[in-house]
Amino acid sequence: DQQVKQNSPSLSVQEGRISILNCDYTNSMFDYFLWYKKYPAEGPTFLISISSIKDKNEDGRFTVFLNKSAKHLSLHIVPSQPGDSAVYFCAATGRYDTNAGKSTFGDGTTLTVKP
Amino acid sequence: DVKVTQSSRYLVKRTGEKVFLECVQDMDHENMFWYRQDPGLGLRLIYFSYDVKMKEKGDIPEGYSVSREKKERFSLILESASTNQTSMYLCATYWTSGYEQYFGPGTRLTVT
Repeated sequence: DQQVKQNSPSLSVQEGRISILNCDYTNSMFDYFLWYKKYPAEGPTFLISISSIKDKNEDGRFTVFLNKSAKHLSLHIVPSQPGDSAVYFCAATGRYDTNAGKSTFGDGTTLTVKP
Repeated sequence: DVKVTQSSRYLVKRTGEKVFLECVQDMDHENMFWYRQDPGLGLRLIYFSYDVKMKEKGDIPEGYSVSREKKERFSLILESASTNQTSMYLCATYWTSGYEQYFGPGTRLTVT
């Protein structure tokens, strides 16, 4: 049973437009969510996170939205740039779990931003 | 900045060989993880360790073992490599004051 799902394996957008990456989760115990970005031949790097007490968190061009009732979160990138082309992983954890750092990851979405 | 290093970026081994993948972190983090990444399957947790000499199985531990004799070093061992273990292997650390993980650059292992 996959607890974190990214249903779109790939997304292609034009430079300057908005990129929206989606993620769904099933475990009600998850209350902290993270996005990671991964370039080929490199390890993932942390991008942005949100806790369940918020419904939005912004960091520059990146905004994460959380809809707890729908168990859905999304990452918005505005404006998209060619350097944003990468694989984006959604991850979830329970902050009060014994192993809170042990996140559950989605399968990833490959974003391609065309010049 | 947290630095996580992995012993090799690329490795080619033969079926049946014993393979050691090493991970070293410089930030005194308690928790360390080993993942494998395969296309369409995301990051799958193999083993993790929350302290020296402590380890727990992840989602796909079969065919792997781990060793953590020192806090900064976490080793993944493929006891008898098989072709289905060809993959990208990623090490990560986590510090209990936050929730994000810090990843190494990965080791691309090919088993022939």
